[in-house]
Amino acid sequence: DIQMTQSPSSLSASVGDRVTITCRASQNIGTYLHWYQQKPGKAPKFLIYAASSLQSGVPSRFSGSGSGTDFTLTISSLQPEDFATYSCQQTYSTPRTFGQGTKVEIK
Amino acid sequence: QVQLQESGPGLVKPSGTLSLTCAVSGDSISSNNWWTWVRQPPGKGLEWIGEIYHSGNTNYNPSLRGRVTISVDKSKNQFSLKLSSVTAADTAVYYCARKGPVAAVGMDVWGQGTTVTVSS
Repeated sequence: DIQMTQSPSSLSASVGDRVTITCRASQNIGTYLHWYQQKPGKAPKFLIYAASSLQSGVPSRFSGSGSGTDFTLTISSLQPEDFATYSCQQTYSTPRTFGQGTKVEIK
Repeated sequence: QVQLQESGPGLVKPSGTLSLTCAVSGDSISSNNWWTWVRQPPGKGLEWIGEIYHSGNTNYNPSLRGRVTISVDKSKNQFSLKLSSVTAADTAVYYCARKGPVAAVGMDVWGQGTTVTVSS
């Protein structure tokens, strides 16, 4: 199985801050990497596909980059509605594993 | 607007079989997509369970050790999950989701999730 490791596991930030979350794959997955946002008690929301493509309707303050084994999700200016848990997922192979999640909390 | 809705018992006894259904509206189960199950134990991350294509092709998570079966019902435009020999470790919120046809696409539509508790 491909292991997906996110860092940090949690972070505290203020509205307006630039936030970067890292996801590392245990082997080369090309750009078959996607990002999801999840709020408490809600289903995940699809944010970014193929490492850097923004899903329709997702604000442009979200961006993704990377290829191979190292990927990042960046929120350029954190908004109140962005406080949530973010998870990466690889679809290079099955099982289509997720990272453990990064919780973004209010400082 | 595509919508997915999970349904099934919220309580399953240990050693029993968990059975859930995901009703699809706004899209055809026979469209060029993979139909997926994901679960999330309390306070933990997301775990991919498996997926099915309308042709019946399936992929499962080996960690579930042959306990899982995913099937599709074209007549009802829905797909189902069966997980046998459940234990408390299978207690989780179960989500169904749609994944695009190629590896470059993730899971763009999710159901709201249904909580399943394994307890006697």
